[in-house]
Amino acid sequence: SQQGEEDPQALSIQEGENATMNCSYKTSINNLQWYRQNSGRGLVHLILIRSNEREKHSGRLRVTLDTSKKSSSLLITASRAADTASYFCATDKELTGGGNKLTFGTGTQLKVEL
Amino acid sequence: DTGVSQNPRHKITKRGQNVTFRCDPISEHNRLYWYRQTLGQGPEFLTYFQNEAQLEKSRLLSDRFSAERPKGSFSTLEIQRTEQGDSAMYLCASSLGSAGTLAGGYTFGSGTRLTVV
Repeated sequence: SQQGEEDPQALSIQEGENATMNCSYKTSINNLQWYRQNSGRGLVHLILIRSNEREKHSGRLRVTLDTSKKSSSLLITASRAADTASYFCATDKELTGGGNKLTFGTGTQLKVEL
Repeated sequence: DTGVSQNPRHKITKRGQNVTFRCDPISEHNRLYWYRQTLGQGPEFLTYFQNEAQLEKSRLLSDRFSAERPKGSFSTLEIQRTEQGDSAMYLCASSLGSAGTLAGGYTFGSGTRLTVV
């Protein structure tokens, strides 16, 4: 089952603009991660934010986390055509032996046009 | 070793046939995961290995599915008597970590896209 939903489901912007995607989840978390997926490919890990963090930056990415609202947002600044992809948030649950099970949202399809 | 490798990239099979997929994780990663992704959805967890031990299986993994990781290196996922509903992208991921919080995310392979006709 999906943990939650991303909003919007699809987003189309012009190159150079900022893109904001939101993610809501249902249960308490250890951390929340964002992944990118190009069409028909595997997922690429972008950034991880822990439950005791409120904001994190990595290059042109900015992630916020509000555990009281069970929500997170991903901001991509100065978008490029190469940012065109689907973006997923994922929460994790510890498994037996120390592994982690990720539960993904439904994703936001971002299209950056020239 | 540049990443997680999955083979084949694409597989078309007739309903009722058996299929097997292979995943070669990053060599030093002790944890290996299988996920399934249907069109328009996020990936869903199937199973998890720590070294050669299969420690967790999802209810999605019916008795037609079996996964192995002999010697704690590569892993195989077999689907017996395939059904059209098995059509999906099967993703493998690996990670390295000690017990506790995941440090830096998984590394995913490019997936095997299965089409059952």
